[in-house]
Amino acid sequence: AQTVTQSQPEMSVQEAETVTLSCTYDTSENNYYLFWYKQPPSRQMILVIRQEAYKQQNATENRFSVNFQKAAKSFSLKISDSQLGDTAMYFCAFMPAGNQFYFGTGTSLTVIP
Amino acid sequence: GAVVSQHPSWVICKSGTSVKIECRSLDFQATTMFWYRQFPKQSLMLMATSNEGSKATYEQGVEKDKFLINHASLTLSTLTVTSAHPEDSSFYICSASSSSGANVLTFGAGSRLTVL
Repeated sequence: AQTVTQSQPEMSVQEAETVTLSCTYDTSENNYYLFWYKQPPSRQMILVIRQEAYKQQNATENRFSVNFQKAAKSFSLKISDSQLGDTAMYFCAFMPAGNQFYFGTGTSLTVIP
Repeated sequence: GAVVSQHPSWVICKSGTSVKIECRSLDFQATTMFWYRQFPKQSLMLMATSNEGSKATYEQGVEKDKFLINHASLTLSTLTVTSAHPEDSSFYICSASSSSGANVLTFGAGSRLTVL
């Protein structure tokens, strides 16, 4: 079974500081994709970052970067220089072959001014 | 980039009536669309996978006669909540994956349904 676990229901960070959100997953697949999606108060789901499992290099998108540890099945998200607009629910997602996505339970991040 | 339009964003209806929610991929073709339901402060729960030109695949526990899904074209999928009841009140989100194989889900903005 494919599962995605986010063990931090809520987190907070001071503006301009760095925060790391954790995510682990369980799969027997070798090829798959991992994602972090952001859901701000507007509830629009927005793709933050994407990682292909066959790539060893960690994905980065401006202030967002991941620490992908395939053997440990870990996929954490680091947000640097946190901004007030980063306040949102963050969902880790896993997609094996076949197009179906599996979402974690989410981490509610609050950036404190 | 890929855009998914979902309409209406907010709908209120009386118990017993039916409500249709539309999901359109605006600038790409989507052979597969997904419908999710989200309760407050919870994750997305996959309801069904909508396949263009064929019947939708429903997740276990989702009543296919209550939640009718039609995917008549490569750019449009609809979810109809039939004989709605207050317990159907929720936030419904659609998403689509481009047939070009980008392996990214693009989401609609969601539809908040309130059944009185």
